[in-house]
Formats: sequence, C-alpha cells, structure tokens
Amino acid sequence: QVQLQESGPGLVKPSETLSLTCTVSGGSISSYYWSWIRQPPGKGLEWIGYMYYSGSTNCDPSLKSRVTMSVDTSKNHFSLNLTSVTAADTAVYYCARHGTAAGRMDVWGQGTTVTVSS
Amino acid sequence: QSVLTQPPSASGTPGQRVTISCSGSSSNIGNNYVYWYQQLPGTAPKLLIYRNNQRPSGVPDRFSGSKSGTSASLAISGLRSEDEADYYCAAWDDSLGGWVFGGGTKLTVL
Repeated sequence: QVQLQESGPGLVKPSETLSLTCTVSGGSISSYYWSWIRQPPGKGLEWIGYMYYSGSTNCDPSLKSRVTMSVDTSKNHFSLNLTSVTAADTAVYYCARHGTAAGRMDVWGQGTTVTVSS
Repeated sequence: QSVLTQPPSASGTPGQRVTISCSGSSSNIGNNYVYWYQQLPGTAPKLLIYRNNQRPSGVPDRFSGSKSGTSASLAISGLRSEDEADYYCAAWDDSLGGWVFGGGTKLTVL
C-alpha cells in the first residue's frame, strides 16, 4: 500500500528556511493532490498547503508569502520550503494524500518534528 | 483560534456512546463535506469518516458521522479503551480556498 515518509532537518535556525521532502512509496505521485499539515506542540492540526502532481499549488493565505512547494515525479517525491522561520513554526510536519483538492486525506506520513531555535 | 469549533474534551465509560460536535459556517461545513480524523497518542492522524458519514474500509461501524446545516457530529458507540485519542473535524472552506480544521477534542475513556 502507499506510504509517505517525511524527511528533513530536525533543527532550523530562526530566519532561515525550513526544507522538507515527502517521499511516496508503493504508489505513484501522479493524479493525486499532496498536502502539508503541521501540528505545533500540544496544539491542533494546521493545513499549510497542497500541490497537485502537475505542479499547481494552493496555500493557506497566512503562510502564502513564505511557502514554496515543488514536485519531482521522477523521484516520486514532493517538497516544502518555508522561509523566514520563527519559533512559531516549531511543529510536527505531516504530508498527506488526497484524490481531489477538497477530498479526503486518506494516507498520511508519520510526521517529522522540526524545531526552530538558535 | 481554529475556524471549526470543537469542545476541547469529552469522556465516557466503556460501552457508552459519546458524541463530539464540530461547528462551522456556510463557507465550510454548510457547503462542503466534513471529515473526521483520529489521532492516537504519538501517531499521525488517521481518516475516520469522510463525506460526512462514510467510513473507510477497516473503521468499525461503532464510529458514525452526521451533518446538519453548519454543524457536524462524530458519534462513538460501545466505547472502548482504545478509542482514547484526539479527534479532529475538517472541511474545505470556500472563502479561504483551502482546508480548515477544528481545534481537536481529546476523548478520555474513564
């Protein structure tokens, strides 16, 4: 079955760029939407944005100016860049799959913890 | 402050039926499907209910979802200790053009 695995640095300095990758195994990245969701410590889920395998993207307006997403279909992975990070960006970051933009997120990665600290 | 409003906590004893509410607006719940996710301690969220009341394969029929107007509910019947988890509602928001989540409800099985 399809599995997602997030990867990236666990520690990022304030004002720097957070870069994460989600690798898709057991299935193709094509024909699906792929979202990033984060969960600050002790808090709820926050949607960051999604990208379609073709490369089109959509982000939460509050993060739009700092978010870049990309996809590499040859490597079956997609990536998130979040610039100018602060302590408020400390969270567990998840990637998830959905069949349509507004459809169910039926497969989730296990999550990766990112701490923003000097 | 989450766009969708859930009670922060809920509880019940084994065998009981509990419900968790999720309140939104016309731009999200009122005009789109509601989804529920279960997050067991230390794990990633898992899809529990989709399209208001549909269960993915493998989800017990003890879990059910409903929607009325701009509110939705998750019901868990025959409560079991393994149901102790955080539960989140989610919906597409037409005004935002993206996903919104509830703040989550921590379910305790007494």
